[in-house]
Amino acid sequence: GEDVEQSLFLSVREGDSSVINCTYTDSSSTYLYWYKQEPGAGLQLLTYIFSNMDMKQDQRLTVLLNKKDKHLSLRIADTQTGDSAIYFCAERVLADKLIFGTGTRLQVFP
Amino acid sequence: GAVVSQHPSRVICKSGTSVKIECRSLDFQATTMFWYRQFPKQSLMLMATSNEGSKATYEQGVEKDKFLINHASLTLSTLTVTSAHPEDSSFYICSARSGGTYNEQFFGPGTRLTVL
Repeated sequence: GEDVEQSLFLSVREGDSSVINCTYTDSSSTYLYWYKQEPGAGLQLLTYIFSNMDMKQDQRLTVLLNKKDKHLSLRIADTQTGDSAIYFCAERVLADKLIFGTGTRLQVFP
Repeated sequence: GAVVSQHPSRVICKSGTSVKIECRSLDFQATTMFWYRQFPKQSLMLMATSNEGSKATYEQGVEKDKFLINHASLTLSTLTVTSAHPEDSSFYICSARSGGTYNEQFFGPGTRLTVL
């Protein structure tokens, strides 16, 4: 089946690193994504990783993929207050279908 | 990135009325548009996929007569919630994609529907 799980909440101090975790069940995923949603707004694509990659780094963002364990993580270095939002991981299971995780609310405090 | 708009951003209606939500791609041609529903503190659930000029494909459990989707042009898709009831209250988000199936989906800002 298709199921994507995330922890609900993460609180970090400004300047620290944040790590948001995601587990998925469908081994046929081709791409995995991280989206950011600010209050009352739609989703903004942050980064993505192809399923045959282990790691991808993009400025402050690092994505790690453990395909064996079906585990995806997003590390945000030097977390800022502007990073406070809900973060969704998503897997592409068919050409056109994205399955979204439950979302992790990241709160950054000074 | 490409811009997708939704209108209205927020709507309140009485039970039994119909509500139309528009999704527009402002600076690209959207061959495919997607409609999602998001309940409070929950994830996005795909409702339907629509390709320009053809009928929408609905996900299992989504009533096509309840949620009418029209993708009449390459820049506009509409979702009409017919005979709305309080349980239809939700955040509806559209996304749009141009070209190939692995191209990025660009998301609209969402529409908050409240049915009294």
